[in-house]
Amino acid sequence: KNEVEQSPQNLTAQEGEFITINCSYSVGISALHWLQQHPGGGIVSLFMLSSGKKKHGRLIATINIQEKHSSLHITASHPRDSAVYICAVEHMDSNYQLIWGAGTKLIIKP
Amino acid sequence: GAVVSQHPSRVICKSGTSVKIECRSLDFQATTMFWYRQFPKQSLMLMATSNEGSKATYEQGVEKDKFLINHASLTLSTLTVTSAHPEDSSFYICSASPGANYGYTFGSGTRLTVV
Repeated sequence: KNEVEQSPQNLTAQEGEFITINCSYSVGISALHWLQQHPGGGIVSLFMLSSGKKKHGRLIATINIQEKHSSLHITASHPRDSAVYICAVEHMDSNYQLIWGAGTKLIIKP
Repeated sequence: GAVVSQHPSRVICKSGTSVKIECRSLDFQATTMFWYRQFPKQSLMLMATSNEGSKATYEQGVEKDKFLINHASLTLSTLTVTSAHPEDSSFYICSASPGANYGYTFGSGTRLTVV
């Protein structure tokens, strides 16, 4: 079993829909990251969370430390949101090293 | 915000030659930089952790003599793929952090094709 599990693996939705991507992990962490990878491969860091909730524009990320679970939400989704969304966790005492989820491929249709 | 510059973005080389990829933190000092490799439709895999002024720490299964990492300054780390073979064709990406609790900034990645 992977230490970081994401679901769903693939998600196709219509423009405007509310999107939720889930991430569960099984190790003790100091932080959790949500990243976005575009088709060209470039990666953008969206959020770093250690507790609670963060919001940036149409993106919302939440984390429940007790349940070892995080969600990434996209409101009013748009075709330009189409990308792979990756959850990664910093294992405690790991000197910043990340444990990666497999990613969720999101396609938003116009 | 923190910016990491990685180049080249794409490189095609002949089998047996060496390729150098640079990763620079433009507006912050990065004591530690990370090098990842991603094969098509697979997750990023950490290759090595690069610490300024010391030898890189390689993950299990990564050949240190093939993937030479140099972190000569607080703003520059290089990855050299030596004697490249077609199976080394992959997407390589670096990341750096100004420090704990500051998150990561990623380079734009390098797509290496060995022919």
